[in-house]
Amino acid sequence: EPEVTQTPSHQVTQMGQEVILRCVPISNHLYFYWYRQILGQKVEFLVSFYNNEISEKSEIFDDQFSVERPDGSNFTLKIRSTKLEDSAMYFCASSLGGRETQYFGPGTRLLVL
Amino acid sequence: AQSVTQPDIHITVSEGASLELRCNYSYGATPYLFWYVQSPGQGLQLLLKYFSGDTLVQGIKGFEAEFKRSQSSFNLRKPSVHWSDAAEYFCAALPLGRSNYQLIWGAGTKLIIKP
Repeated sequence: EPEVTQTPSHQVTQMGQEVILRCVPISNHLYFYWYRQILGQKVEFLVSFYNNEISEKSEIFDDQFSVERPDGSNFTLKIRSTKLEDSAMYFCASSLGGRETQYFGPGTRLLVL
Repeated sequence: AQSVTQPDIHITVSEGASLELRCNYSYGATPYLFWYVQSPGQGLQLLLKYFSGDTLVQGIKGFEAEFKRSQSSFNLRKPSVHWSDAAEYFCAALPLGRSNYQLIWGAGTKLIIKP
């Protein structure tokens, strides 16, 4: 069964450093998403991406964040200058259509020191 | 504001006992509704979903959920839990906006299984 994959599973970085989180969505899916879950809090939407552009983003997704689909298979989330409060589990998801079920990857746990 | 509420932070049940996890949503129109499960150290796995039609939906691992419009609820049930069901369960909604595809999440309910 096709699944969403994410790398790395864990990432530790120093405050102010750039990080890139990688995702490989399900191959025939057209919509891609990033969510995050700060420890002990709700899962929060960050951004959705369709047709090579951002279709929607939350208030969390400020200028420090960017997304890219550099080739036909990868979908990345970049945080330019990490802050302590960026420490969270980051989930990538994909769906066939905008109003279809979103399938999630295993997550990347980011720790900013 | 649009929201999803899971009123129980933790629930403890004995192995073999029945389970019901509560979820309420507040939206003008019925959103699409989902239950996901997160086992320790794992990602978010879809258990089941409701888009329309039959209000009792069956999912994986023996779970089912019932949509009740009058109560704005979408409660998850299982007749007999197994120790492997210990996990955190999330209810989520996809509002029916023009181009709004973000899932809105409940806070999660942690299920603890007593032997």
